[in-house]
Amino acid sequence: GESVGLHLPTLSVQEGDNSIINCAYSNSASDYFIWYKQESGKGPQFIIDIRSNMDKRQGQRVTVLLNKTVKHLSLQIAATQPGDSAVYFCAENRIAGGTSYGKLTFGQGTILTVHP
Amino acid sequence: NAGVTQTPKFRILKIGQSMTLQCTQDMNHNYMYWYRQDPGMGLKLIYYSVGAGITDKGEVPNGYNVSRSTTEDFPLRLELAAPSQTSVYFCASSYEALPHFGNGTRLTVT
Repeated sequence: GESVGLHLPTLSVQEGDNSIINCAYSNSASDYFIWYKQESGKGPQFIIDIRSNMDKRQGQRVTVLLNKTVKHLSLQIAATQPGDSAVYFCAENRIAGGTSYGKLTFGQGTILTVHP
Repeated sequence: NAGVTQTPKFRILKIGQSMTLQCTQDMNHNYMYWYRQDPGMGLKLIYYSVGAGITDKGEVPNGYNVSRSTTEDFPLRLELAAPSQTSVYFCASSYEALPHFGNGTRLTVT
């Protein structure tokens, strides 16, 4: 089956730096992508999402970039804080037609560690 | 507004035992899901439901059963626990495309 994967399993940054977490996907039919943050002992928490008709979407301190040509998306976190330390997952779905809502394919995850 | 609530938080089972993982949501979402997360891995879909009375298999359904008698509840049943079912189980719900997750049930089968 098709899958979503991550280039870097771990990322260590200093507080205040910008962080970039990458994700490659293989299903060219995917049209919806989500970034989740997972803290220890908790469930995935929504950060930001993007649909395939967009290249970029910004939230509070976060930006997601989507490059459909090379099937790649990235999560940029500005001014990273110790509270951003967690595992970050990208997930993809094909929601055209509305029949696959929530049936996500997850990547392996990237561990982000922010040093004070 | 509690969101998605899962019980229990932790459970240890012996091989061959059975149990039900409970999940309830108070957001009136039609869609509900069960995922499992093995150590160092992303989540994989076990079963999902698009509404009361309707369920379907996900990527890894073997060894599990579900039911959806109400909009709020979506229990996951393990009939004959096996060590391969040691995992963290997450329930989620959504209105449309974006699932919201509970905090999981950590299950160990020994």
